[in-house]
Amino acid sequence: DTGVSQDPRHKITKRGQNVTFRCDPISEHNRLYWYRQTLGQGPEFLTYFQNEAQLEKSRLLSDRFSAERPKGSFSTLEIQRTEQGDSAMYLCASSLWPNTGELFFGEGSRLTVL
Amino acid sequence: ELKVEQNPLFLSMQEGKNYTIYCNYSTTSDRLYWYRQDPGKSLESLFVLLSNGAVKQEGRLMASLDTKARLSTLHITAAVHDLSATYFCAVVHSGGGADGLTFGKGTHLIIQP
Repeated sequence: DTGVSQDPRHKITKRGQNVTFRCDPISEHNRLYWYRQTLGQGPEFLTYFQNEAQLEKSRLLSDRFSAERPKGSFSTLEIQRTEQGDSAMYLCASSLWPNTGELFFGEGSRLTVL
Repeated sequence: ELKVEQNPLFLSMQEGKNYTIYCNYSTTSDRLYWYRQDPGKSLESLFVLLSNGAVKQEGRLMASLDTKARLSTLHITAAVHDLSATYFCAVVHSGGGADGLTFGKGTHLIIQP
């Protein structure tokens, strides 16, 4: 297994468009997390799944943000009606729970909203 | 709300010197993680500290955890240029894993030859 993969790595879009990011976790990991990171800041927790169940979504930034993990494997993060303030790096991580709780991060998807 | 503070946020030091990065957190937790991030890259796990008094070492880096003081330290010994990066600490609420990790703002470390 090559680790957590994310696609696309870079996305440039115009304000008002919808964007979707995909994350493929490490295959045996049952938990999958989405974070957002802006320049000069630490990653900010958005949501997470255990298998296909979304266990925490109150930290999603607005109702324009949604995430799915329909079969408990890959996940998607969708942002509707993008705004310039959505420009950031969106990081996906996975972990094996219960275990140490250590998260393994993907390379991230960088979003630029014009 | 769990708050994680790192100190300093920016550090420029010379090769061969020693220094310590501090990570304080605001609520009870028995798990703390250190990550490294190079510019434009993702986060690489460095240390997982799972109990009070835990100490882990890897090369020139050593991390420790004092859960009573709600403090972790990352000590750099005889720094080399390759250690230049941003270092994050992250904490999970005691009882674990419910909300993912809360990260500090990071310590941007530059090591000059």
